[in-house]
Amino acid sequence: IQMTQSPSLLSASVGDRVTLSCKAGQNINNYLAWYQQKLGEAPKLLIYNANSLQTGIPSRFSGSGSGTDYTLTISSLQPEDVATYFCQQYNSWTTFGSGTKLEIK
Amino acid sequence: QVQLKESGPGLVQPSQTLSLTCTVSGFSLTSYSVHWVRQHSGKSLEWMGRMWSDGDTSYNSAFTSRLSISRDTSKSQVFLKMNSLQTEDTGTYYCARNALPGYNPYWYFDFWGPGTMVTVSS
Repeated sequence: IQMTQSPSLLSASVGDRVTLSCKAGQNINNYLAWYQQKLGEAPKLLIYNANSLQTGIPSRFSGSGSGTDYTLTISSLQPEDVATYFCQQYNSWTTFGSGTKLEIK
Repeated sequence: QVQLKESGPGLVQPSQTLSLTCTVSGFSLTSYSVHWVRQHSGKSLEWMGRMWSDGDTSYNSAFTSRLSISRDTSKSQVFLKMNSLQTEDTGTYYCARNALPGYNPYWYFDFWGPGTMVTVSS
């Protein structure tokens, strides 16, 4: 299943509400996870089952969506949120999106 | 605590075989599946295959003919072997734990190793 993320690059200011999008090539029934990858590090699980927050992840991160369209929202962008964010579907085997790189303006 | 760590040669010659080891701690391989995921430099993530908790394996069809995953539960290790390496196999290879134990449809990963960089070059 093809996963398309947009935008590929996003610049925002500290304190901004940020929205990242992920679109699946077919209905993935909320079998979607979001990961954060900082430079030189392994990916870190943020959200699973489209909207469940992984233990230890700050509440400013949230996930939503259904069917083919999903969103990761950061309610108030912090400097430590600079990273690339990947979505992953696991409705049929598993595939990842191409990522959104998030920068501070 | 849960930890995974990949190890292997940093450099492999074209057409040769890559052998990587994922050593885990803090959980049992007979309870949790372990996946292999690779990442080309700065690019997206590509799922390669899975060692299930019961010892079964699943592979991405893009790799089926040249990829093999095995394990040694007594040593808490999962192994990846991939033959006929080409330059496009250069990248960082990760092992990651399936978040939920046993057999289930939830293929998301809660713990990852730091990754091991593999360069395919003569």
